[in-house]
Amino acid sequence: DAKTTQPNSMESNEEEPVHLPCNHSTISGTDYIHWYRQLPSQGPEYVIHGLTSNVNNRMASLAIAEDRKSSTLILHRATLRDAAVYYCILRGRDDKIIFGKGTRLHILP
Amino acid sequence: GAGVSQSPRYKVTKRGQDVALRCDPISGHVSLYWYRQALGQGPEFLTYFNYEAQQDKSGLPNDRFSAERPEGSISTLTIQRTEQRDSAMYRCASSLGTGLSGTEAFFGQGTRLTVV
Repeated sequence: DAKTTQPNSMESNEEEPVHLPCNHSTISGTDYIHWYRQLPSQGPEYVIHGLTSNVNNRMASLAIAEDRKSSTLILHRATLRDAAVYYCILRGRDDKIIFGKGTRLHILP
Repeated sequence: GAGVSQSPRYKVTKRGQDVALRCDPISGHVSLYWYRQALGQGPEFLTYFNYEAQQDKSGLPNDRFSAERPEGSISTLTIQRTEQRDSAMYRCASSLGTGLSGTEAFFGQGTRLTVV
């Protein structure tokens, strides 16, 4: 299974942008980059995914490096409700979804 | 249904008993995943199905754990001769799948299993 590396935790101030990094140097050409988050006492929820190009949706943006060996999840204006564990996952042809340790994001009011 | 449904939401069982956890995926979703999550940890992959075929069971901890999805819809995760270390939240997810690795997975609320 392709692996990802994320910082254990990050802090950000409320109403400021947050950039969550992920390294995936062993990514293969057919792997999609997925991000999920898990709020306290909730199940994981999908945030965004991409293959090669940067992606935007109502929740976040995903910036993918040109060599695809890293990506960054961008929350444009963090709120207290964005405090969660964020998981960067590579999903390949086998469709498996394997969670790593993720980044615990703390939002400071 | 509107989302992934798991039952029961809570299960307390005595050590040595068998338990069956049920997952009802979103209608039409081909892929179904089972995870186990200990408190403060990320979801741990157990197994997954495409249609009724079990694609990968490498995450099942031992032979007391088994899963089936006989008609390609509802799935059951069975734990035989439960032990206290089996206590955890068990989560199920489904996605449109297969070979569509660019699609999102939807998670159920989970079953909290406590073995006493």
